[in-house]
Amino acid sequence: GAGVSQTPSNKVTEKGKYVELRCDPISGHTALYWYRQSLGQGPEFLIYFQGTGAADDSGLPNDRFFAVRPEGSVSTLKIQRTERGDSAVYLCASSLGLAENNEQFFGPGTRLTVL
Amino acid sequence: GEDVEQSLFLSVREGDSSVINCTYTDSSSTYLYWYKQEPGAGLQLLTYIFSNMDMKQDQRLTVLLNKKDKHLSLRIADTQTGDSAIYFCAEKEGRRALTFGSGTRLQVQP
Repeated sequence: GAGVSQTPSNKVTEKGKYVELRCDPISGHTALYWYRQSLGQGPEFLIYFQGTGAADDSGLPNDRFFAVRPEGSVSTLKIQRTERGDSAVYLCASSLGLAENNEQFFGPGTRLTVL
Repeated sequence: GEDVEQSLFLSVREGDSSVINCTYTDSSSTYLYWYKQEPGAGLQLLTYIFSNMDMKQDQRLTVLLNKKDKHLSLRIADTQTGDSAIYFCAEKEGRRALTFGSGTRLQVQP
């Protein structure tokens, strides 16, 4: 696989529903990041993993948001009881490690629309 | 807290130089980055600079860092229509995630 892939590319859901967004990182990358990008804004950090464990989840806005990476590769971002304010593009990135000179490679994002 | 600020929009003519500016507040940032985002595409890292450097040149790109004023700029020489995109500056301190600015939309007029 070439780069980071994310599925679905678009997700439309109704307020109150549950959604799962998937990220497939570059093979061998141990660090995985989730960001959220609202219209007209830069990406904002949500959570990142080193291996299977969440190294920092301080960016998650509230307890409706949760992410897992059970085998240290694919990650799933889960949003419960979605709200219209959750509408955004959710970006995933991976890197070889957490060091500052490890480039983060971004996926194309999942555009979530909550009606 | 951290805050990264950029101007929203820049318009230049093809062949001119573009200068995109950014200010940041976290003086402990050790790396500063410039990313490019085109419609329908992921964020692409253009270049980065280590905080103990003043300048970095990479082909048509020149990054200038004024650490005293916490000011970062990206100069694109001989700007082409393919350079039209949104440009984000970002900072990273240690093992933390990236903190991005709100982006500058560059429009290149033919």
